[in-house]
Amino acid sequence: AQRVTQPEKLLSVFKGAPVELKCNYSYSGSPELFWYVQYSRQRLQLLLRHISRESIKGFTADLNKGETSFHLKKPFAQEEDSAMYYCALSGTSGTYKYIFGTGTRLKVLA
Amino acid sequence: DADVTQTPRNRITKTGKRIMLECSQTKGHDRMYWYRQDPGLGLRLIYYSFDVKDINKGEISDGYSVSRQAQAKFSLSLESAIPNQTALYFCATSDFQGPTQETQYFGPGTRLLVL
Repeated sequence: AQRVTQPEKLLSVFKGAPVELKCNYSYSGSPELFWYVQYSRQRLQLLLRHISRESIKGFTADLNKGETSFHLKKPFAQEEDSAMYYCALSGTSGTYKYIFGTGTRLKVLA
Repeated sequence: DADVTQTPRNRITKTGKRIMLECSQTKGHDRMYWYRQDPGLGLRLIYYSFDVKDINKGEISDGYSVSRQAQAKFSLSLESAIPNQTALYFCATSDFQGPTQETQYFGPGTRLLVL
């Protein structure tokens, strides 16, 4: 089955601590992976995508095809990082797919 | 992003009623989507449209129908609402330029309660 799994519903860390939001996927083909973020009272928006190999707001994500993972990392969490994070994949193997995970709420504590 | 708007923002209806949720966009994108969000289930795709004449079912289309009236408008209808359709509904558009370049742009959401 094609799916995106985010095992943690809630992740709480202290300010300045490292953050890792886990994402695993199952897809028969070569998907593209994304992270979306939803800050309080704001819309869901793209944070970063694998193909860009970029760092956005200090976050990075590495695609590990062997482990089928695309974990989101930041070395030093900030309070403003508190939000809901969704991992997503897109692919065209067979029918078109754009699949979101169930989301992880990140709380950064002062 | 005010380029994707949804109306109404909140709606309470009764079981068996027909309701329509509307989505408009000024981004000029061909692709539009309807999702529902439920606690613990994330975002699930209901319908998507690649252009005005191309409409496709998503993973949970039963009980829903859509209409793509124009490039800018994509409406979602619940023909006969039931309580388990209570959810937060999102419309989105995308700037598809290939599977590795697609970004989705979301509306603010419509909170629907079916009594």
